[in-house]
Amino acid sequence: SQTIHQWPATLVQPVGSPLSLECTVEGTSNPNLYWYRQAAGRGLQLLFYSVGIGQISSEVPQNLSASRPQDRQFILSSKKLLLSDSGFYLCAWNQGTGIEKLFFGSGTQLSVL
Amino acid sequence: QKEVEQNSGPLSVPEGAIASLNCTYSDRGSQSFFWYRQYSGKSPELIMSIYSNGDKEDGRFTAQLNKASQYVSLLIRDSQPSDSATYLCAVMKGNAGNMLTFGGGTRLMVKP
Repeated sequence: SQTIHQWPATLVQPVGSPLSLECTVEGTSNPNLYWYRQAAGRGLQLLFYSVGIGQISSEVPQNLSASRPQDRQFILSSKKLLLSDSGFYLCAWNQGTGIEKLFFGSGTQLSVL
Repeated sequence: QKEVEQNSGPLSVPEGAIASLNCTYSDRGSQSFFWYRQYSGKSPELIMSIYSNGDKEDGRFTAQLNKASQYVSLLIRDSQPSDSATYLCAVMKGNAGNMLTFGGGTRLMVKP
């Protein structure tokens, strides 16, 4: 069966510091991968998605970036965090074969202080 | 107009009652519809999917889809306190590949 791992679970970072969140999927190959952000009490905002290694599409321009160095690895990064980057970050995957059910990792609660 | 709209709630129902959660969407070409449950501080969990008009039942959950009215709903029968959570409606638009657009969620509170 497929599983998705995301870490760390919580992170407190000062403004201006870098960020790296990692996500890996097991039990499948060539998944579609996604990064979402959820501000407190709000819905999910799609940040990036990837349909293959090295292929990244950005939905919202901001100071975040994403990379997919391996088939089942997706990384969210920032060189300098802003206060507004605080939120709940979720990695997700689906198979992209026409069945669009999306499965989420456990999330990272990021607080930028 | 938001692409996927939900009443933020909270929707409060007594234990044992039917909870009715509603969602409207703007893109008539939308193909697939999903309901996710999200407990506070946790990630969303898929509970229902529906692709054609009508009702789809799974245990205490029933999803209803009306494409003509661009409306999808989730009914929870015999509501339990453990059903208290935020319910997210998600829609795959007709021309959006495999990406889902989420509503803001409805917070459900089931009172014992």
